[in-house]
Amino acid sequence: AQSVTQPDIHITVSEGASLELRCNYSYGATPYLFWYVQSPGQGLQLLLKYFSGDTLVQGIKGFEAEFKRSQSSFNLRKPSVHWSDAAEYFCAVGARGGGNKLTFGTGTQLKVEL
Amino acid sequence: DADVTQTPRNRITKTGKRIMLECSQTKGHDRMYWYRQDPGLGLRLIYYSFDVKDINKGEISDGYSVSRQAQAKFSLSLESAIPNQTALYFCATSDSQTGSYEQYFGPGTRLTVT
Repeated sequence: AQSVTQPDIHITVSEGASLELRCNYSYGATPYLFWYVQSPGQGLQLLLKYFSGDTLVQGIKGFEAEFKRSQSSFNLRKPSVHWSDAAEYFCAVGARGGGNKLTFGTGTQLKVEL
Repeated sequence: DADVTQTPRNRITKTGKRIMLECSQTKGHDRMYWYRQDPGLGLRLIYYSFDVKDINKGEISDGYSVSRQAQAKFSLSLESAIPNQTALYFCATSDSQTGSYEQYFGPGTRLTVT
């Protein structure tokens, strides 16, 4: 079965600084990978996804993520953080042939200092 | 109007009571899911349904039951609520025809069991 680890529970960055949120997965083949964001009191919104092809994927709100097979990682990055990016971020993995089921990480809470 | 709606948005109930959470979608997706979110644990899958006649247990189905009344409706029931079922519950949908594995989430129901 697949699993996801988000090693950072909380991260604080200053507005305008760069951001990297870590995600490591465990799966025997090439997985489907996702990053979702949850703003306070809201549901989850998809930021970006990786299925195949180019390992650097672009998403909404200026986010990008890079799939590194050798490191089993799919880290989320943003060059310049805005105060509105403060939210909880979840990495998720789906197994090919797994019927659209996703396994989520425990989340990283991002705080942005002005 | 939201594509995935959940009712109620907030509910406080007492131990031992039966409660139903409802989810409706207008996306025309065939697959629907129920998750619960607890602080520090991320999202965990309770039940999922690939179509009206195909319902499956997730990783934490004990104490819960579901009903897929129509393709667009998927309800989660707690037959006898207990305090450790206090959590944020999310419904999600996906479309098997696209092969994208992307899930779309409702706004969540915050359930408190006293």
